Amino acid sequence: DAGITQSPRHKVTETGTPVTLRCHQTENHRYMYWYRQDPGHGLRLIHYSYGVKDTDKGEVSDGYSVSRSKTEDFLLTLESATSSQTSVYFCATRAETYGYTFGSGTRLTVV
Amino acid sequence: QQPVQSPQAVILREGEDAVINCSSSKALYSVHWYRQKHGEAPVFLMILLKGGEQKGHEKISASFNEKKQQSSLYLTASQLSYSGTYFCGTEMADSWGKLQFGAGTQVVVTP
Repeated sequence: DAGITQSPRHKVTETGTPVTLRCHQTENHRYMYWYRQDPGHGLRLIHYSYGVKDTDKGEVSDGYSVSRSKTEDFLLTLESATSSQTSVYFCATRAETYGYTFGSGTRLTVV
Repeated sequence: QQPVQSPQAVILREGEDAVINCSSSKALYSVHWYRQKHGEAPVFLMILLKGGEQKGHEKISASFNEKKQQSSLYLTASQLSYSGTYFCGTEMADSWGKLQFGAGTQVVVTP
């Protein structure tokens, strides 16, 4: 079941360029999240959304912005990519009082 | 504030038991547990809610000590498929909907 899909799966980009990652869900979940995962740090929250056009910052939001114009889509934009943003990015959704469902991840390399 | 997990790693033989601990310095609403295999997305195992309710994996057991803000995940009669990195995620009472993840516990089950 492809309840949540991320695109692209892999991307290499140059320092200073903007990058947009897409998360699409078919579960009609209200809550959506963007996390980054780096060795030794676990998963760190970048931004999250609790409804269409309702978003808030997480613990590592500097250099990132998000948009949610439809329930099913949550976009993460790196405004000007830096090497420190090389990471694996996971999108997740959540049904109320239950666990997260994660997408397959996007491996982003900034050169 | 990131929850603290222990141990960082554990190696088991098939059939042995292990306990993974997760602690927070803040009052919690819930604790989540996830397992991630190499190169894959984290997968939800269980949520433990304040008040004693639990939802999740039938074969995984866990406890939540609300007074101490601690949770433990019990791997009983471990199988090879239990190998992976286990993450706890904590949800604070004053910020429902946002999980903070621990750094993870790597579990290796050998034949």
